[in-house]
Amino acid sequence: DGGITQSPKYLFRKEGQNVTLSCEQNLNHDAMYWYRQDPGQGLRLIYYSQIVNDFQKGDIAEGYSVSREKKESFPLTVTSAQKNPTAFYLCASSNPSRTYEQYFGPGTRLTVT
Amino acid sequence: AQSVTQPDIHITVSEGASLELRCNYSYGATPYLFWYVQSPGQGLQLLLKYFSGDTLVQGIKGFEAEFKRSQSSFNLRKPSVHWSDAAEYFCAVGAGNTGTASKLTFGTGTRLQVTL
Repeated sequence: DGGITQSPKYLFRKEGQNVTLSCEQNLNHDAMYWYRQDPGQGLRLIYYSQIVNDFQKGDIAEGYSVSREKKESFPLTVTSAQKNPTAFYLCASSNPSRTYEQYFGPGTRLTVT
Repeated sequence: AQSVTQPDIHITVSEGASLELRCNYSYGATPYLFWYVQSPGQGLQLLLKYFSGDTLVQGIKGFEAEFKRSQSSFNLRKPSVHWSDAAEYFCAVGAGNTGTASKLTFGTGTRLQVTL
């Protein structure tokens, strides 16, 4: 079955450490997205990528970095510069002919102490 | 800039009762509108979408939504709620197509509780 996988489901880190969240899709979608979800704030766009080796900042990119070396993969690194990294992170992808229909992965809950 | 307002943070309904979740948007052009559902600790699932045409759209799981341009609204409805509908519901508006990617702006969500 096609879909989006995110690993791990839960991630714990100490403050000051960088951490990378994985996102893989086998839907053959060109575009991929990273969102952050906090209670009561909905989803906010961190980064998105239209094609391999290309990505654009979203609304809250500070303290995050991404790469897009393969069509299937769009990892997100939460750096030590992110002031409040504890959150639920969601990855999504979309088909170029139906770009507004975004398919979401199951999410990774990151806790930084 | 576009925005989405979901005025109800939390709604409780009895199983079998009807449901309406409110969504108001602000967008300069004809909007692309969506409703997503999220179970606790899970990703989002697309319930339905409006692009153009008939203003009453049908989605999965028996949900429907009506686009009302004059009220800038896209309310989600279900005639009879099931206990399994308990989840968080997000309204979103399409915010510009940048080539092969599109940016969605989400509301803050409405948590639905269903009592038996």
